[in-house]
Amino acid sequence: EDQVTQSPEALRLQEGESSSLNCSYTVSGLRGLFWYRQDPGKGPEFLFTLYSAGEEKEKERLKATLTKKESFLHITAPKPEDSATYLCAVPLIYGGATNKLIFGTGTLLAVQP
Amino acid sequence: KAGVTQTPRYLIKTRGQQVTLSCSPISGHRSVSWYQQTPGQGLQFLFEYFSETQRNKGNFPGRFSGRQFSNSRSEMNVSTLELGDSALYLCASSPRLTGANVLTFGAGSRLTVL
Repeated sequence: EDQVTQSPEALRLQEGESSSLNCSYTVSGLRGLFWYRQDPGKGPEFLFTLYSAGEEKEKERLKATLTKKESFLHITAPKPEDSATYLCAVPLIYGGATNKLIFGTGTLLAVQP
Repeated sequence: KAGVTQTPRYLIKTRGQQVTLSCSPISGHRSVSWYQQTPGQGLQFLFEYFSETQRNKGNFPGRFSGRQFSNSRSEMNVSTLELGDSALYLCASSPRLTGANVLTFGAGSRLTVL
């Protein structure tokens, strides 16, 4: 069964304290992995798509990497405005054309000043 | 460019009632998906529409239904509400179905069932 697992469930950092979030997946085939950010009371906001092992993408203080079994979201010198829930998701690969995503349960990040 | 618009943003219903939620996708997007988000289960796929046809359905009871109109706007309906239906219902749109497409989400409709 396709599954996405994120860890840790929650993470508290001091401003400037770098860390990484993990997303591991077990799917029959990978045609991409998505990272989203979700602020309280809002819908998820797209951050990155990674397509193949070894790929990396960066945006400001965030860098996403992908291996054959997991993805990491590295946060360098975080600021309080980086506080949010970070979600990873993989698209369903079977069942024909579809945009269905399987989501992990997310990591709640709190960055304290 | 307007984003995905969901209405209403908040609503409170009682058990046994029914509810209809609306979603207007980004202009030009023909694919609309619905997700239910709860603290315990995270985001769970409800269904997906493209060109007015349901293309996929998640593992939810028949009380959950939806439709898509010719202008790509979508509605979902939940009948005979139960306490466990309390959740954030998210709609997402995308231009197409093929490939690994980025979904753009709306802000959601927060449903509370009393």
